[in-house]
Amino acid sequence: DAGVTQSPTHLIKTRGQQVTLRCSPKSGHDTVSWYQQALGQGPQFIFQYYEEEERQRGNFPDRFSGHQFPNYSSELNVNALLLGDSALYLCASSLGPGQGGTEAFFGQGTRLTVV
Amino acid sequence: AQSVTQLDSQVPVFEEAPVELRCNYSSSVSVYLFWYVQYPNQGLQLLLKYLSGSTLVKGINGFEAEFNKSQTSFHLRKPSVHISDTAEYFCAVSNQAGTALIFGKGTTLSVSS
Repeated sequence: DAGVTQSPTHLIKTRGQQVTLRCSPKSGHDTVSWYQQALGQGPQFIFQYYEEEERQRGNFPDRFSGHQFPNYSSELNVNALLLGDSALYLCASSLGPGQGGTEAFFGQGTRLTVV
Repeated sequence: AQSVTQLDSQVPVFEEAPVELRCNYSSSVSVYLFWYVQYPNQGLQLLLKYLSGSTLVKGINGFEAEFNKSQTSFHLRKPSVHISDTAEYFCAVSNQAGTALIFGKGTTLSVSS
């Protein structure tokens, strides 16, 4: 079982650019959540996808958007990058509602640096 | 709204000593509580979770935590730490299984010999 895999592991972008981060959930999981972890801080919830729809969203601007594919993998897109978007982006997968999923499994993260 | 406060940003301790990492939460509804560990340049690994039932929860690597509803706390303990326990520890809360986790700012545990 490969667990949750994220790509790329590191990324450097310029202010104003757009970025796409990718996540493959743990085998058998159908729900994907994204978190932003700034340096020295705890992770902050961005949004969660289930059945290819955004199920829950945190306090992030519309520049942050996502997508879930039929195979349950997910993408996080950030437009018009700001320096403050520099962070570790974590993907977590879990079982969907009604399936008894109580634990989120995290990937290694994508380190995004905006210059 | 839910929130989590980790009362200590850094906890230095000697090897084989006991340790307690403190976590308080606020929530207007029932909560699920979690402790995660993060080693340098890695993702988060679940140490233990409280969903319901016994207030004393045992997790991996010899860690345990006690849910105290009246004190709204969920402190993490280990009776004897190892050098390898050096890491960042995060307390988290959610109001429903499988939904968004609200994390504290983390506690850095530094174990020295």
